[in-house]
Order: sequence, then C-alpha cells, then structure tokens
Amino acid sequence: EDQVTQSPEALRLQEGESSSLNCSYTVSGLRGLFWYRQDPGKGPEFLFTLYSAGEEKEKERLKATLTKKESFLHITAPKPEDSATYLCAVHTDKLIFGTGTRLQVFP
Amino acid sequence: DGGITQSPKYLFRKEGQNVTLSCEQNLNHDAMYWYRQDPGQGLRLIYYSQIVNDFQKGDIAEGYSVSREKKESFPLTVTSAQKNPTAFYLCASRVGDRLTGELFFGEGSRLTVL
Repeated sequence: EDQVTQSPEALRLQEGESSSLNCSYTVSGLRGLFWYRQDPGKGPEFLFTLYSAGEEKEKERLKATLTKKESFLHITAPKPEDSATYLCAVHTDKLIFGTGTRLQVFP
Repeated sequence: DGGITQSPKYLFRKEGQNVTLSCEQNLNHDAMYWYRQDPGQGLRLIYYSQIVNDFQKGDIAEGYSVSREKKESFPLTVTSAQKNPTAFYLCASRVGDRLTGELFFGEGSRLTVL
C-alpha cells in the first residue's frame, strides 16, 4: 500500500535556528513529490514540485530535496512568518497527502 | 484577481440536514477537486471533475454529491447520509495537465454538525 509519512509532527524553532522537515514515502511509480504550506484556517499553498532523485528547488529560506525514499524541506535561518503547517504530497496514480509538520518559529 | 472562492467559510448544520458548499474559480482550470481535512489525517479526496458534466468519486465519496454544470463551478453537497460530516472542506483546481499534483486551493469551508 502506498504511504506517505511526515516527521516530526511538530517542530519549535528559535528564529534563525535552521532545521529540516522530512517526508518519507513507499509508493510504486513516483510521478512527482509536492510541498505545500498551510496557514491556520486557510487552504494549502503550493511551494515546490520535485520529480527525480537528486533534484533540488529553492525559494527564499526554503530548500526542498528528493531521494528515492524521502524528501527534505530545509529551512535556513527561519523567521516567525515561516510558522505554518508544511504538507507533502506524492503523486502516483493518485495524489497522497501526508499529515503535515506544524512548524512554530519564535522570535 | 484569479483564484478559487469557497463559501460559506463557516457553516453549522443540524443532524439530518443536507448542506451545499460552494466553489467557484476564475482560473480557467479544467480539473476541480474536493478534499476533506481532519486533524491528524492527510487530505482525503471526496470527488473530482476533469471536465464539465463529468465527475468521479474519490476515496471517501459516500454521503457526498457534486455537480459540474459549468467550468467555473463545482459545488459539494454534504448529505444526511454522511456519518461524520464535521470537518474542514477544501476545494482545489489543477494547474497544468493531469500528470501534476500542483493544486490551487481555496480558503476552505469549516462545517460543524450540532
């Protein structure tokens, strides 16, 4: 059965303290992996698409990487406005979402 | 501005009542989706439509119904047959072709059954 697991469930960081969020998957036939940001009470906002192992994408303080078994979302020197839930989704013959990592960045 | 508009943002319903959630998009996207989000669970697909007058069941379609009479509109009806309807409902449309998971989401509708 295709599965997507995100860890940790929650992460508290001090402003400027870099860290990584993990999205591991066991699927057959990966077509793409997607990262979203979701603010409380809002819909998810698309961040990145990764298609093949070794691929990397960057946007401001965020960098997404992909291996054959997992993806990492690296957050460099985070700011309080980076606080949100980060979702990953894996596209096989359908789109499977993980449960998300809730990130809180304190000043 | 282009986007997806969901309404209402908050909705309260008594048990046994049907309710309809509105989803309108002006992005000219062909494909539209309804997801349900519950605490501690990933987004789950209820229904999707890739073209006007056609739609397919997702993973949790029981107790829900949809229509797609216009490209811009994809309303979701939560019927009294849905056993646990309290949830956050998200409408989305797809950017690009069917091989991508890049979705554009609305702001969501939170349904509470009293």
